[in-house]
Amino acid sequence: EVQLVQSGAEVKKPGESLKISCKGSEKSFANNWIGWVRQMPGKGLEWMGIIYPGDSDTRYSPSFQGQVTISADKSISTAYLQWSSLKASDTAMYYCARNLGYGDYQFDYWGQGTLVTVSS
Amino acid sequence: QAVLTQPSSLSASPGASASLTCTLRSGISVASYRIYWYHQKPGSPPQYLLRYRSDSDKQQGSGVPSRFSGSKDASANAGILLISGLQSEDEADYYCMIWHSSAWVFGGGTKLTVL
Repeated sequence: EVQLVQSGAEVKKPGESLKISCKGSEKSFANNWIGWVRQMPGKGLEWMGIIYPGDSDTRYSPSFQGQVTISADKSISTAYLQWSSLKASDTAMYYCARNLGYGDYQFDYWGQGTLVTVSS
Repeated sequence: QAVLTQPSSLSASPGASASLTCTLRSGISVASYRIYWYHQKPGSPPQYLLRYRSDSDKQQGSGVPSRFSGSKDASANAGILLISGLQSEDEADYYCMIWHSSAWVFGGGTKLTVL
């Protein structure tokens, strides 16, 4: 079964950098797309971007372009989401999720989420 | 105007049916879209339930009971998630999603209360 295991909760100060991870369990990790979804406290889901670990093809939601960087290391079946300078408004739960393609397909398997808290 | 609009809350009784709607913005025809449905219980990640475009283009998520089904109401320009035989465990937030303009777009979610 597909499993996505995310890194643990983080508490950071405004202006700090951060990189969180999402490790896949299956050998075909490189052949699927891994997306990132934000959920701010008490709010709904927002798609941030997606990457194909096989060749690191990456697409961003216009709302998040330039705000975060998505990357992957297929040799260790891991995708990443990073910030260079965090803001308090980045406080949220972040989920990674698998998709079969960049297109009209579902996110069928989800990580457990990484809670990021940004506070001075 | 948001691309997808969902009622913020809905209540229904155990054993009854609940119809959750996902209305597409004017100018975007529901007929063209696959509607994806997820639910999320407190403290847990979203879970994929199903997708529905038409009776010939639909898919149930792995392990999702058949009492969850999808449909559309063309007159309302909306996708519908129907849950029959409601159980207390169905109490959750429900989100719809579409693939629109090369991006995945979620609705704001409906909190379903079973009481």
